[in-house]
Amino acid sequence: SQQGEEDPQALSIQEGENATMNCSYKTSINNLQWYRQNSGRGLVHLILIRSNEREKHSGRLRVTLDTSKKSSSLLITASRAADTASYFCATDRGSTLGRLYFGRGTQLTVWP
Amino acid sequence: DTGVSQDPRHKITKRGQNVTFRCDPISEHNRLYWYRQTLGQGPEFLTYFQNEAQLEKSRLLSDRFSAERPKGSFSTLEIQRTEQGDSAMYLCASSYPGQGREKLFFGSGTQLSVL
Repeated sequence: SQQGEEDPQALSIQEGENATMNCSYKTSINNLQWYRQNSGRGLVHLILIRSNEREKHSGRLRVTLDTSKKSSSLLITASRAADTASYFCATDRGSTLGRLYFGRGTQLTVWP
Repeated sequence: DTGVSQDPRHKITKRGQNVTFRCDPISEHNRLYWYRQTLGQGPEFLTYFQNEAQLEKSRLLSDRFSAERPKGSFSTLEIQRTEQGDSAMYLCASSYPGQGREKLFFGSGTQLSVL
């Protein structure tokens, strides 16, 4: 079953604007990850945030985590047309076996 | 390091036929995962290997599905007596044995269409 719920399901913005995607989950976690998927391709890992962290940055990406609200957000600053893709959050549901549970994703379209 | 490789990229089959997919993980990765993804959904966990041992199977993996990882290297996923509901993208992923093992490296997937 799906673990996370991303919001919005679809987001359309212009190049240069910021894109914010949200993710909610239901169980305890060790960490939460964000992945990106271009159409018809596999997923690419973007960033991991641990349950004891509140914010993390990687290049133009900023991730926040609020374990009390069981939610996370992914911010992409100064978006580019090449950022067009689906973005998924994934959690481990507190397991250390490595399997991840993904949400349904946010389809981001960045117009030039 | 050529990444995770999956073969074939596309497979079209008739209902009732058997199909087999192959996954070659990154060479030093000891963990290997199979996921299934349908249109508009996120990947759903199917099964997981650590080396050659299959440690966990999802309830999604019916008895028509079987996965192997002989010698702890490549893995195969076989679907017997395919049904139209099996149409999906089948993704393979692998991870490092040590620090950073939470991060999964995905292949490009095998797109299965059952007619």
